[in-house]
Amino acid sequence: DIVVTQSPDSLAVSLGERATIYCKSSQSVFYKDNKKNYLAWYQQKPGQPPKLLIYWASTRESGVPDRFSGSGSETDFTLTISSLQAEDVALYYCQQYYYDTPTFGGGTKLEIK
Amino acid sequence: EVELVESGGGLVQPGGSLRLSCAASGFNFNTYWMSWARQAPGKGLEWVADVKADDSQRYYVDSVKGRFSISRDNARNSLYLQMNSLRSDDTAVYYCVRLGTESRYRPMDVWGQGTSVTVSS
Repeated sequence: DIVVTQSPDSLAVSLGERATIYCKSSQSVFYKDNKKNYLAWYQQKPGQPPKLLIYWASTRESGVPDRFSGSGSETDFTLTISSLQAEDVALYYCQQYYYDTPTFGGGTKLEIK
Repeated sequence: EVELVESGGGLVQPGGSLRLSCAASGFNFNTYWMSWARQAPGKGLEWVADVKADDSQRYYVDSVKGRFSISRDNARNSLYLQMNSLRSDDTAVYYCVRLGTESRYRPMDVWGQGTSVTVSS
């Protein structure tokens, strides 16, 4: 199976500052035929199910604030929160959906410094 | 409003069986690939299985092959997960999840609230 690795495991950022989370896939998730990266980001708050934030590596889901952005290609990806708000405290997961077995990263816990 | 509501979780002994259900509403259920994912206590997310819109194709994570069976009833807008030969490492919250219409290679865009399964003697 494809291994997806996130870093760091946890992150503390001051309100209004930038938060950056990294995601690395053991093999490329870029499909040449449609030029898309099959990589998504999810946010999970305590006691809630995950919520889709970003798909195709950089497309924001409807209703997601524009302070959330995704970038990267092939094996290396980044989720950036441009100005951290209190409501962004959560666990964040990346996921590849290119291969037959979809796999998730281990998660990054984002807290307020 | 698009909604997925799971039911059927509970406490079961090792080796036992359980059937999870998911009631879908607010979208054309019979056009979407659907999936189950799970999350063990304090752990990350794991995809379990998915099924094509017309129930003609099914896929499973290796750890549940031969023990779990995913199915659907489009007339009832419902998704199911039959879990047999349950083990302690199947203990998790199980989520019903919506995928895409034309392909299973899509993000998980709608999640239910989850139903908890505990396998313990």
